[in-house]
Amino acid sequence: QSALTQPPSASGSPGQSVTISCTGTSSDVGDYNHVSWYQQHPGKAPKLMIYEVTKRPSGVPDRFSGSKSGNTASLTVSGLQADDEADYYCSSYAGSALIGVFGGGTKVTVL
Amino acid sequence: EVQVVESGGGLVQPGGSLRLSCAASGFIFNSHWMAWVRQAPGKGLEWVANINRDGSEKDYMNSVKGRFTISRDNAKNSLSLYMNSLRAEDSAVYYCARRFSSSFDYWGQGALVTVSS
Repeated sequence: QSALTQPPSASGSPGQSVTISCTGTSSDVGDYNHVSWYQQHPGKAPKLMIYEVTKRPSGVPDRFSGSKSGNTASLTVSGLQADDEADYYCSSYAGSALIGVFGGGTKVTVL
Repeated sequence: EVQVVESGGGLVQPGGSLRLSCAASGFIFNSHWMAWVRQAPGKGLEWVANINRDGSEKDYMNSVKGRFTISRDNAKNSLSLYMNSLRAEDSAVYYCARRFSSSFDYWGQGALVTVSS
C-alpha cells in the first residue's frame, strides 16, 4: 500500500490551465480504471472532483478533467479561478484488496 | 440532504482505546459501502478501512490491521471504528465517508484523535 506520487506544488495564473500528475505502478493506477481526484480547502473535508479516471460528479464544473496513460493519471484544471487554490489528492485501488491508496497531495496556487 | 457526522474523537494515551461513531442521514444507508479515511496534521490522506453494505466484508490498511475494527448498524444508520493499541502515529482527523464506486462522494467534518501521554 505505497502512496501514489504527486508533485508537491503547481501553479498558474487566472484563466490558465494547470495539470497535476499522479504516478503509481502496474498494481494500482496502471491496473484499474479507478482513479479519483479530491479537492481540499484548508480546514475543510475533501471534495470529490473526478472518479473512475474521467467522470465528474454532478455539480463539478467541466473545467476539471481527468485522464490516464499507463501508470500515470492526471487532473487538468482549465480556466483557473481563485477558488481553485487548494490541495488536490489522487487515489486508486491497489492490489487485490479493496483498500486503496492516496497520493501525497499537490498544492495548487493561483498566482 | 446527505449527511455524515462523526463523533467520539479526543485525547488518549498511547496503548489506549477509542471508539469513533458516524451518524448517516439523507440516503439509504444499507445501499452503500462506507469507509474511514484519516489525515494527520499537515499531512496527506490515508484510506483506513472499508465495510460493505451488510457488514460481511471489512478491509484495512496494513498499519491498522489487528488493532482497528470497522463495523456498522444498518438499523441505526451508523458506522463505527474501534481503535485499540493506539500509537502516536494514529493521531489524525478521522473522516467518515460514503463510498461511491471506488471513490468517496460524501465526507463528514472529521473527528480529531490525539494519541499522547
